[in-house]
Amino acid sequence: EVQLVESGGGLVQPGGSLRLSCAASGFTFSNYWMSWVRQAPGKGPEWVANMNQDGSEINYVDSVKGRFTISRDNAKNLLHLQMNSLRADDTAVYYCARDFGWSRYDYWGQGTLVTVSS
Amino acid sequence: QSALTQPASVSGSPGQSITISCTGTSSDVGDNNHVSWYQQHPGKAPKLMIYDVSNRPSGVSNRFSGSKSGNTASLTISGLRAEDEADYYCSSYTSKGVFGGGTKLTVL
Repeated sequence: EVQLVESGGGLVQPGGSLRLSCAASGFTFSNYWMSWVRQAPGKGPEWVANMNQDGSEINYVDSVKGRFTISRDNAKNLLHLQMNSLRADDTAVYYCARDFGWSRYDYWGQGTLVTVSS
Repeated sequence: QSALTQPASVSGSPGQSITISCTGTSSDVGDNNHVSWYQQHPGKAPKLMIYDVSNRPSGVSNRFSGSKSGNTASLTISGLRAEDEADYYCSSYTSKGVFGGGTKLTVL
């Protein structure tokens, strides 16, 4: 059974940092692109970043470029999102998702809430 | 404002059929056949229901179907059931993924 379990969310002040992690199991993690997708309260999902199987190809939504860094550890089946210079509009539930490509996210974690507020 | 436009809400009675539209542009929905639909119950993660316009992942009921015409994609749910009540989001492939703003389905 495919499982994705996020951790690392919480309350942080504007300008602060957080590191999210996603533990994957039930599939060969190193064979898949992975994405981070966020959802602000009451809004639709927003794709944030993705990474290919070996980390050689990375993409970000414009609003997080230079502030967020996606990474993965294939030996430990982990996906990470380092978030720096956080802003109020980064407040959202952050999901990791298996990225099949072509807007097809076939498995999602349960999400972790990030709240940016003073 | 979301890049893809969906009606805020739709409703139907058990057993009926409903259709949710998703309107984009020639740069996204109209550009390729990579439209997906997601179902989200309150407090839960989105679940993939349709991919590549009309394909269902294994385990998704055949009551769910998708189609596309021009810049508008559609999700149809037939034989409505109480458990179909949820938010539905469309997504279209572009160089960066784009989602719709969501449609709340109410089963009367």
